[in-house]
Amino acid sequence: AQTVTQSQPEMSVQEAETVTLSCTYDTSENNYYLFWYKQPPSRQMILVIRQEAYKQQNATENRFSVNFQKAAKSFSLKISDSQLGDTAMYFCAFMDYGGSQGNLIFGKGTKLSVKP
Amino acid sequence: ETGVTQTPRHLVMGMTNKKSLKCEQHLGHNAMYWYKQSAKKPLELMFVYNFKEQTENNSVPSRFSPECPNSSHLFLHLHTLQPEDSALYLCASSQGSGVNTEAFFGQGTRLTVV
Repeated sequence: AQTVTQSQPEMSVQEAETVTLSCTYDTSENNYYLFWYKQPPSRQMILVIRQEAYKQQNATENRFSVNFQKAAKSFSLKISDSQLGDTAMYFCAFMDYGGSQGNLIFGKGTKLSVKP
Repeated sequence: ETGVTQTPRHLVMGMTNKKSLKCEQHLGHNAMYWYKQSAKKPLELMFVYNFKEQTENNSVPSRFSPECPNSSHLFLHLHTLQPEDSALYLCASSQGSGVNTEAFFGQGTRLTVV
């Protein structure tokens, strides 16, 4: 069975600085997808970024980028130029290739606080 | 607002009560999901519906009973719950499968069982 581990329960960063959130996972599959979701206090889970395991190039979405290390089964999220609105819970998630988007396996999350 | 609406936002119920959670999506998606989010635990997938048919039940106790009358609506009927069932219940929807199909989540129902 696949598992997702986020080893940092809480992190904080100063506004405008860069922060990296860690995620490791375990799977015997070769093809899969990885995601980072953000859950602000409003509780709405929002997709931040996604990565296909068969792509070597790291995904980037504006200030958000990932460092995907397939051999190490590591998938970290880097947030550049942190903003107060980035304060939220961040969840790393795994999905089997061919699975529907909702069949996600989540980590326990990292609570990120951006300080002014 | 992501197009997935859950009601109620908050619910307090006794262990002998019967209540229902409602989820509605106006995105034209054909798959809907219930997740349970407990404190300090990963989100747990409970049920999956594709084209109104239940395709997954992750060993959820029978005191949770899902219903999907059409592709736009999903219910979770609750009866004789336990205090450990207190959690945030999230509904999500998606269109088909594949990585380019994003899962959209509702804002959840915060359930407290007393």
